Amino acid sequence: SQQGEEDPQALSIQEGENATMNCSYKTSINNLQWYRQNSGRGLVHLILIRSNEREKHSGRLRVTLDTSKKSSSLLITASRAADTASYFCATVNTGNQFYFGTGTSLTVIP
Amino acid sequence: ETGVTQTPRHLVMGMTNKKSLKCEQHLGHNAMYWYKQSAKKPLELMFVYSLEERVENNSVPSRFSPECPNSSHLFLHLHTLQPEDSALYLCASSQESPTREKLFFGSGTQLSVL
Repeated sequence: SQQGEEDPQALSIQEGENATMNCSYKTSINNLQWYRQNSGRGLVHLILIRSNEREKHSGRLRVTLDTSKKSSSLLITASRAADTASYFCATVNTGNQFYFGTGTSLTVIP
Repeated sequence: ETGVTQTPRHLVMGMTNKKSLKCEQHLGHNAMYWYKQSAKKPLELMFVYSLEERVENNSVPSRFSPECPNSSHLFLHLHTLQPEDSALYLCASSQESPTREKLFFGSGTQLSVL
């Protein structure tokens, strides 16, 4: 399988804490993206990191990429109840194909 | 809203019915996608249309038939489906460039096959 795999599958934290999710993949990539999905809705793009980048920030989000380990992490700082959702990583390989993982389900307890 | 609209939001159909899912994007993108999302599985890419031509078809059964009449509209025609086809069907669009980047998703059609 070429899909990314997120870890952990589920995460439950208190409001205000940081949440870290990891993604591993198998093939060479052009870029890696993180998406968020609220229950029963479509996915919303959060952030993209290119293969030649190592870290990127957007608001309370921080993404890192280690192409030697074929892994990425998404850090959400100072979490809020509204951050409760499923988070997916998606890789775009050198053939321009998207592959999504199975997601991490994040619950932020008020 | 993401600029991608899917209808209907929910659909219940029998195995002998014929129905269609509709997707419209208002973003000026030139690529559109159908994905299937089942519980505990990665998103499954079904079809990709780029510049109104089908460029990817991931071994999808013929009971699913896509149609892309123009760059803003995408349909998925359904006939003689099976209960295991029950899932959330997501449409997405993007702007084709040397490297595919951001996907914009609709809210999906939750399909139940009885």
